[in-house]
Amino acid sequence: RKEVEQDPGPFNVPEGATVAFNCTYSNSASQSFFWYRQDCRKEPKLLMSVYSSGNEDGRFTAQLNRASQYISLLIRDSKLSDSATYLCAVCPYYNQGGKLIFGQGTELSVKP
Amino acid sequence: GAVVSQHPSWVICKSGTSVKIECRSLDFQATTMFWYRQFPKQSLMLMATSNEGSKATYEQGVEKDKFLINHASLTLSTLTVTSAHPEDSSFYICSSSKRRSSYNEQFFGPGTRLTVL
Repeated sequence: RKEVEQDPGPFNVPEGATVAFNCTYSNSASQSFFWYRQDCRKEPKLLMSVYSSGNEDGRFTAQLNRASQYISLLIRDSKLSDSATYLCAVCPYYNQGGKLIFGQGTELSVKP
Repeated sequence: GAVVSQHPSWVICKSGTSVKIECRSLDFQATTMFWYRQFPKQSLMLMATSNEGSKATYEQGVEKDKFLINHASLTLSTLTVTSAHPEDSSFYICSSSKRRSSYNEQFFGPGTRLTVL
C-alpha cells in the first residue's frame, strides 16, 4: 500500500461546479498535511495547510479526518483557472526534518 | 512565501556526462533541503534530504554515488547527476524548509528539466 494515495482522475467539471478530492495516508503518526497545486511543467505551489479543525480560504476548504486517515479538498464555484493537478502531501514523521510524501496527484479540468 | 531558486531551469546533455543542479534559498536560511524527481504524469518522488554541514540522507532505491548532494551553506544545496543516462531524464525539483519553521512548510524551486540524449 502506498503511503499517500489519491484518485488520479482526471476530473472534468463545468465552470461553477463543486468538486471534492480525497487523499488517504497510511501512517497514523503523520503530523502535517498540505494541499499543493501544480500547473503543467511547473513546480508545486502550496494551496493550503490542513489543520485538525479544518480550514477555509475563499472557495477552498480543507479537512482532516485522523480517525479514517484522510484529508479532503473542496473547491466551490470552480473557475477555468482552477484547472491543474492537485497534490496532497503528508509529513509522516515528527522529527525527520519535515520531509513530505506526496500523493500521485489528481488532475482537474474545468470546462466553460 | 519564501523564495527558492534553481539553476539551470533546463539542461540537455549527452549520455555519460555529469550535470550539476543548484538550489538556493534567497531570503531565508535553509537547514534542510529536499530533492525530488518527477516523471511525466507521476507524482514527486523524494530522492534525498540534504542537511547543511552533514551527509545527505537518501531514500530507498536512490543511488547515492550517482546522485551526489552537497549542502555546504545554509542557502545552497547542489545535486550532481553523474554519468547521466536517458532514463535519468526527468524534472528535478528542490525544496527548502525555513529554519525553526514549526509546521514543516516547504517552499519549492521552479525545477530543472533534464534531458539526456
